[in-house]
Amino acid sequence: NAGVTQTPKFQVLKTGQSMTLQCAQDMNHEYMSWYRQDPGMGLRLIHYSVGAGITDQGEVPNGYNVSRSTTEDFPLRLLSAAPSQTSVYFCASSGGQLAKNIQYFGAGTRLSVL
Amino acid sequence: DAKTTQPPSMDCAEGRAANLPCNHSTISGNEYVYWYRQIHSQGPQYIIHGLKNNETNEMASLIITEDRKSSTLILPHATLRDTAVYYCIVRLGGSARQLTFGSGTQLTVLP
Repeated sequence: NAGVTQTPKFQVLKTGQSMTLQCAQDMNHEYMSWYRQDPGMGLRLIHYSVGAGITDQGEVPNGYNVSRSTTEDFPLRLLSAAPSQTSVYFCASSGGQLAKNIQYFGAGTRLSVL
Repeated sequence: DAKTTQPPSMDCAEGRAANLPCNHSTISGNEYVYWYRQIHSQGPQYIIHGLKNNETNEMASLIITEDRKSSTLILPHATLRDTAVYYCIVRLGGSARQLTFGSGTQLTVLP
């Protein structure tokens, strides 16, 4: 059981470049979310989705886009990378009416923007 | 969501029980207490959750006081691999919204 898979594990971008961070889960979870974690800080929510075709903004959505065309996938797009987006990005999923706060996290994508 | 307060750091000797406290004095009747941990550079990992009764699973035990204003996560026999930041989170059980990760407690298990 793979759980939540994030790719790539590491990425270096130049300022202004765009890219997509991939997230896939094989647990048929309806809820998925993206967090970022800056050094020495807690996790902050970027965007989340409560099901296919439904997305909403979290605490720090600026500079990021998401879509949810399937239950399994929830990609995060950086439109024009900035050094302030250097961070570790975590994708998470959860499912079940009473278990929505039991979130399963991926291993993370470490992004550096130069 | 109820605010939680945790000590910033704790040490524990390997093989001993680690008791991590959390205060949540404004918790409401239908809010659950969840515990997660984050081992360095890894994604957070769910540990346990409870509403009002004490809970135990293969990883830990959760003790919630009768007035529900505080709780304690117990790792019965801490190992070096338990060194991590531990987060106490209070949330409605059926809510699909974000988890708010505060500063947590850095637990260091010493050999």
